[in-house]
Amino acid sequence: DAGVIQSPRHEVTEMGQEVTLRCKPISGHDYLFWYRQTMMRGLELLIYFNNNVPIDDSGMPEDRFSAKMPNASFSTLKIQPSEPRDSAVYFCASSFTGGGSQPQHFGDGTRLSIL
Amino acid sequence: GNSVTQMEGPVTLSEEAFLTINCTYTATGYPSLFWYVQYPGEGLQLLLKATKADDKGSNKGFEATYRKETTSFHLEKGSVQVSDSAVYFCALSDTGFQKLVFGTGTRLLVSP
Repeated sequence: DAGVIQSPRHEVTEMGQEVTLRCKPISGHDYLFWYRQTMMRGLELLIYFNNNVPIDDSGMPEDRFSAKMPNASFSTLKIQPSEPRDSAVYFCASSFTGGGSQPQHFGDGTRLSIL
Repeated sequence: GNSVTQMEGPVTLSEEAFLTINCTYTATGYPSLFWYVQYPGEGLQLLLKATKADDKGSNKGFEATYRKETTSFHLEKGSVQVSDSAVYFCALSDTGFQKLVFGTGTRLLVSP
C-alpha cells in the first residue's frame, strides 16, 4: 500500500523565495496534518484538515505560511517569503475518522533549508 | 489542556539490556495512547497503541500498558537491539478527536 507521499524530499533555497511543499495522503483518509520538526522546538502541529476543510490553523507561525487542500488527494504548504528560521523538516500525516483511536500515518518529510 | 510528559534522553543501553521509557499524561476525557518511533531521516511510524484503560499495546517486542490510575503509558522492551536506536514519541488523542498531542521524544542509543 502506498503511504503518505511528500515532495520534494529536500529543498534548499535562498531567503525571500517562495517555497511550496506537497503532500498526497493515503487514499480514503479524511484527515490531513502538517507538522514542523526542529531541534529547538521539537514536533509542532501547524494545521490540520478534515474532508479538505481547515479545522485548526492555530499552529501556523505567521501570515507567511499558508496551506490548502483543493481535493482529497493533495495538499500544499506554502511559505512566502521564506526566512532562515523556517529551516526545518516538515511532515505531512493522514488518518481516517475513528473517534480518536486511529493512528496518524506520516510521510518521510521534506527537509527545508533556507539560506 | 491535554499534555504528555516523557523522560529526558538520551537513554544509552547495551544490546540485550531491558528498556523502559516513561510517559505520563494529562487529559480531560478518555484518551487513546500511542507510541511512535522515528528512525534517522524518516517520518514517525506507529509502534503501538492502546485505546482504553488496562489495554496493553505490543509490537516488535515492545509493550506498553494503559494505566488510568497512574495516568501512565510506559514503553518497555525486554532485550533491545542496535537496530532499536531511534527517537520514541509518546502521544495521546482525546475521545472523538484525531488531533494528537505529542511528548518531546526520547532518544534511545543502543551499543553492541
